[in-house]
Amino acid sequence: DVKVTQSSRYLVKRTGEKVFLECVQDMDHENMFWYRQDPGLGLRLIYFSYDVKMKEKGDIPEGYSVSREKKERFSLILESASTNQTSMYLCASSPFGGMGQPQHFGDGTRLSIL
Amino acid sequence: RKEVEQDPGPFNVPEGATVAFNCTYSNSASQSFFWYRQDCRKEPKLLMSVYSSGNEDGRFTAQLNRASQYISLLIRDSKLSDSATYLCVVNIGGNTGNQFYFGTGTSLTVIP
Repeated sequence: DVKVTQSSRYLVKRTGEKVFLECVQDMDHENMFWYRQDPGLGLRLIYFSYDVKMKEKGDIPEGYSVSREKKERFSLILESASTNQTSMYLCASSPFGGMGQPQHFGDGTRLSIL
Repeated sequence: RKEVEQDPGPFNVPEGATVAFNCTYSNSASQSFFWYRQDCRKEPKLLMSVYSSGNEDGRFTAQLNRASQYISLLIRDSKLSDSATYLCVVNIGGNTGNQFYFGTGTSLTVIP
């Protein structure tokens, strides 16, 4: 089974802090994704990566950056946390090419910015 | 126009009922289709992929209609444990296969 592990289930940070969310997958997937999920808005793509050191902006990249130094690890960084970044953050991975291959999600990180 | 649209519900059905959800997609180049289940405050989990010929997994049946650009999920003999949000997901494909589009989900509550 694919295992996608997010570093924290719950996280509380203060406005202005730099926040790191880590995600590791064990299936050698090329594609990795960061989403946030808010009530009534569904999943919104922040960034994705299809290879080491490669990254592409999703629909809502403002206020975020990412890092992919190793294939198995994809980090989301909130450069200066703000209260409107309080949300559920979900990491996912999928194989390259992806025909017929679904995404697999981590448990999610519930982030609260005070 | 959204890439994927779902009726948000909520659907409240009695145990044992049959319930169906539909999802429409706008991009005719869409190549792969999935249904995910998401429990409250949990991550989405793959329920089933949707194949062109339609496919069944126990009480769950998924159908794809490419001509009308919709997919459906049928749940027979609903159980209390089926209560969740069901997400429709479409993959456009492309070179890297990383273009996934999500519906906002349909909420199902099965009532005793």
